[in-house]
Amino acid sequence: KAGVTQTPRYLIKTRGQQVTLSCSPISGHRSVSWYQQTPGQGLQFLFEYFSETQRNKGNFPGRFSGRQFSNSRSEMNVSTLELGDSALYLCASSPRTGTYEQYFGPGTRLTVT
Amino acid sequence: QKEVEQNSGPLSVPEGAIASLNCTYSDRGSQSFFWYRQYSGKSPELIMSIYSNGDKEDGRFTAQLNKASQYVSLLIRDSQPSDSATYLCAVGSNFGNEKLTFGTGTRLTIIP
Repeated sequence: KAGVTQTPRYLIKTRGQQVTLSCSPISGHRSVSWYQQTPGQGLQFLFEYFSETQRNKGNFPGRFSGRQFSNSRSEMNVSTLELGDSALYLCASSPRTGTYEQYFGPGTRLTVT
Repeated sequence: QKEVEQNSGPLSVPEGAIASLNCTYSDRGSQSFFWYRQYSGKSPELIMSIYSNGDKEDGRFTAQLNKASQYVSLLIRDSQPSDSATYLCAVGSNFGNEKLTFGTGTRLTIIP
């Protein structure tokens, strides 16, 4: 079975711009969660989507948003980028919603200059 | 108090010895517990999950859970240099906001 895929793998953006990241979960998995990983804060939960509905949301500003399509693929968008948004963005897929095993993609490394 | 706490390390263990990684959590309602391994520059990889008190073994890995003490640990037997990585503990609660909360990880180095 193919794993979780994320595109793009690397991205450089300028402050004030917006960015869209994409995630394709493992075939058959309907839950996609997004995380931000930084050296100082570790892995921070952004949000989870299941069957095209946002199930949970972490403590991030409204500039961070996401959506999920009928084929379970998910996108996250960050508007008005700030320097502090530089991070590794990881998505994880799971066959079920909630707190079950999650399998991570390779991540998108975002650098904001 | 952090929700999930791990000793950041680094933890150095000789090759062939047992590596012991510990994690404590604050939410008594936590129901699911996971250990992830993350190599430098890579994404986290799930290596163990445990849901009930006691031990769960998978190859060289043993996860131990004690809900009364709010403590979960990972033992790695016969440590190999390839085990050198950061190990992340993740805890899930099914009450209220259902999400996994990750510790900041313990960096493990296996010394040949």
